[in-house]
Amino acid sequence: DQQVKQNSPSLSVQEGRISILNCDYTNSMFDYFLWYKKYPAEGPTFLISISSIKDKNEDGRFTVFLNKSAKHLSLHIVPSQPGDSAVYFCAAAGGATNKLIFGTGTLLAVQP
Amino acid sequence: NAGVTQTPKFQVLKTGQSMTLQCAQDMNHEYMSWYRQDPGMGLRLIHYSVGAGITDQGEVPNGYNVSRSTTEDFPLRLLSAAPSQTSVYFCASKLAGGPYNEQFFGPGTRLTVL
Repeated sequence: DQQVKQNSPSLSVQEGRISILNCDYTNSMFDYFLWYKKYPAEGPTFLISISSIKDKNEDGRFTVFLNKSAKHLSLHIVPSQPGDSAVYFCAAAGGATNKLIFGTGTLLAVQP
Repeated sequence: NAGVTQTPKFQVLKTGQSMTLQCAQDMNHEYMSWYRQDPGMGLRLIHYSVGAGITDQGEVPNGYNVSRSTTEDFPLRLLSAAPSQTSVYFCASKLAGGPYNEQFFGPGTRLTVL
């Protein structure tokens, strides 16, 4: 049973526009959420995170929004750049655990 | 720092063969883990360890064994490979103390089981 879901396997946007990647979770015990970025033939790298005590966290062009009542988070990339083309995974954790549960990933293609 | 290293990068096995995927980190991280990445399934946790001598199962542990004799190394063993174990395997490490510490991934091992 997938506890973290990314329902869009792929997304294509034009350079300079906004990219919005979505993630849903089912476990109400999750209280920390992360986004990872993965280029082909490389391991995932950490991008941005958010705690459940917040509803928004921003880092440069990247903003993560959390809607706890809907069990939904989203990653906004503004403006999108061709170098942002990658697979994006959301991940979640509950309590003080070190374990991360990952979603299925969304392949973002930013067209020049 | 080399970070998290994995060997080999690629491997082809026949059904029933055994092998060990190597993982090492030089960041003195207590927590290490193994994931597999499959199309449409994302990253799934196989096994993890919170320190030398301590291991536990993740979401998909069947068919895999692990041990943690040192802080640095966390090998993943396939005792009798099956085609369903064809996947890309990632090792990761982080400081313990909750999810707030960044988890670092290795470059992956692409395994094909014929």
